[in-house]
Amino acid sequence: DAGVIQSPRHEVTEMGQEVTLRCKPISGHDYLFWYRQTMMRGLELLIYFNNNVPIDDSGMPEDRFSAKMPNASFSTLKIQPSEPRDSAVYFCASSKKNIQYFGAGTRLSVL
Amino acid sequence: DQQVKQNSPSLSVQEGRISILNCDYTNSMFDYFLWYKKYPAEGPTFLISISSIKDKNEDGRFTVFLNKSAKHLSLHIVPSQPGDSAVYFCAASGTSGGKLIFGQGTELSVKP
Repeated sequence: DAGVIQSPRHEVTEMGQEVTLRCKPISGHDYLFWYRQTMMRGLELLIYFNNNVPIDDSGMPEDRFSAKMPNASFSTLKIQPSEPRDSAVYFCASSKKNIQYFGAGTRLSVL
Repeated sequence: DQQVKQNSPSLSVQEGRISILNCDYTNSMFDYFLWYKKYPAEGPTFLISISSIKDKNEDGRFTVFLNKSAKHLSLHIVPSQPGDSAVYFCAASGTSGGKLIFGQGTELSVKP
């Protein structure tokens, strides 16, 4: 298996623009997680899905953030409008049991 | 309130010596604990885990110890190698397949 695949690896955008991050989980995994890593807050969970259904979105910082999982092999995290403070590395992870497997991340820079 | 804490942001060890990374937790409902390793520009990778019914789990150079009464776990790497230089995160889970609570990470530097 190719592992968790995230795209793009890097995204540079201007404040106010819409940003969409994409994730393909490992086939057969029924949990999908979105994380954000910053120097100040470390690795924080934004939202997670079980069988494509959002279970806990309490970590989503505000209404500008939204996530979808239309099917078992694809998820998106959207920021609209983006702000400079959204600059961070965003990770997607998937799991079947306790062990989560992470993608390589998307480094987002909002200018 | 941070439920999983790694109080040492960094650790420096000489090659060949033992590295000990520590982690404390507050929630007694956690029943599964994991260590992840992260290199720059990569995602965290799973290293080793332990269930709360055990107090030790070993995998090659890596051993995780769990002290439930103290709510403390540690990762021992012996012997340490320069390639072990990375950020190490401990994580805890209270439900199977559910979310993990991560510590802030400890940056390990192994000097040749």
